Amino acid sequence: DAGITQSPRHKVTETGTPVTLRCHQTENHRYMYWYRQDPGHGLRLIHYSYGVKDTDKGEVSDGYSVSRSKTEDFLLTLESATSSQTSVYFCAISERDRNTEAFFGQGTRLTVV
Amino acid sequence: AQSVTQLDSQVPVFEEAPVELRCNYSSSVSVYLFWYVQYPNQGLQLLLKYLSGSTLVKGINGFEAEFNKSQTSFHLRKPSVHISDTAEYFCAVSPNTGGFKTIFGAGTRLFVKA
Repeated sequence: DAGITQSPRHKVTETGTPVTLRCHQTENHRYMYWYRQDPGHGLRLIHYSYGVKDTDKGEVSDGYSVSRSKTEDFLLTLESATSSQTSVYFCAISERDRNTEAFFGQGTRLTVV
Repeated sequence: AQSVTQLDSQVPVFEEAPVELRCNYSSSVSVYLFWYVQYPNQGLQLLLKYLSGSTLVKGINGFEAEFNKSQTSFHLRKPSVHISDTAEYFCAVSPNTGGFKTIFGAGTRLFVKA
């Protein structure tokens, strides 16, 4: 299994509070991604990174920010959590940005109450 | 832009029966195609991929898929399913231009009954 660790695995938080999810990889892959998974929507890309300090927005980036200060770590922050951000969040990594598969973490189940 | 449609949200099937999970896509450029499987409370893992060459692709756990360019489809098949194949399956499309534009389908939940 690819070395990807997400923390925490479960979190319940209150509306309006900031939340940070962490993704740690031991594969030294250049590309890292944050997705959210919601019923009926599959996986949707929130943000991605193509190197240290190099990040960009995906299709559902509003309300989220990311940071990548080291190759192995990619942080996702919800600045002020809302109920619509209740979801399962997956981190993924890949060696290239094309013609290659992504490897996924175990997911973080976030509930905003 | 790409889009992916998984034509069935749920597929119930009896153990040892064959199964086909359907995936259609649209894209203005050539694409790479993937099937991923997600077991309960786990992340996605790759079943198989089509990058180029033979249109019939074999993957893990006895699954295979066929790329049909004219019908823009990439259907997943298994001749005989097991209880352990119960999971959610995702089709994904990635343009050959790269740029982090992989699109996932909404998923098909395969439920294998004894």
